[in-house]
Amino acid sequence: ILNVEQSPQSLHVQEGDSTNFTCSFPSSNFYALHWYRWETAKSPEALFVMTLNGDEKKKGRISATLNTKEGYSYLYIKGSQPEDSATYLCALRDSSYKLIFGSGTRLLVRP
Amino acid sequence: EPEVTQTPSHQVTQMGQEVILRCVPISNHLYFYWYRQILGQKVEFLVSFYNNEISEKSEIFDDQFSVERPDGSNFTLKIRSTKLEDSAMYFCASRGLAGELGYETQYFGPGTRLLVL
Repeated sequence: ILNVEQSPQSLHVQEGDSTNFTCSFPSSNFYALHWYRWETAKSPEALFVMTLNGDEKKKGRISATLNTKEGYSYLYIKGSQPEDSATYLCALRDSSYKLIFGSGTRLLVRP
Repeated sequence: EPEVTQTPSHQVTQMGQEVILRCVPISNHLYFYWYRQILGQKVEFLVSFYNNEISEKSEIFDDQFSVERPDGSNFTLKIRSTKLEDSAMYFCASRGLAGELGYETQYFGPGTRLLVL
């Protein structure tokens, strides 16, 4: 059974700070790792899909890495802006394509 | 940009009543999903649907739940007799042909918040 843990649960940073959070998983028996960004009252927005150990993806100021051997993925935000405030969800995709989610990291960026 | 839509955004119902949650997936997608998030808990998988039939369902998805794609565009989740513990945010998602993030990505709607009193 796949299990996904995210830390920290919440994070408050100042505008301009860089930050990162972690998605950890005890088993590498999955097919892909997804990161989503979810703002309240909006659809969760797909950020990255990663499949291979050592994968690195980047979209603007946001990047992510995957280490399947040690069981974690990091999401980095460089120079946080207030509009980055959201909940960031990590999910593992299993063989049947269903997603198993972590509990999310809630980020608040203060102006 | 194509998006998944869901109606209603909020629904309040009495215990024991039937509710139907509606979703319009992205038009060329072939795979459809329902997830839910009970307040304070993780988003959890309910059911997947492909080629007009259920592909997989979770333990949560008992006989009180059903899904349907009645007209080729809508995808519905019906709860026949709601319980208090069905109160949650229900998300629809679809996946299909390659997009910016490829065949792998599930595109989510904004959710329907269901409150059972």
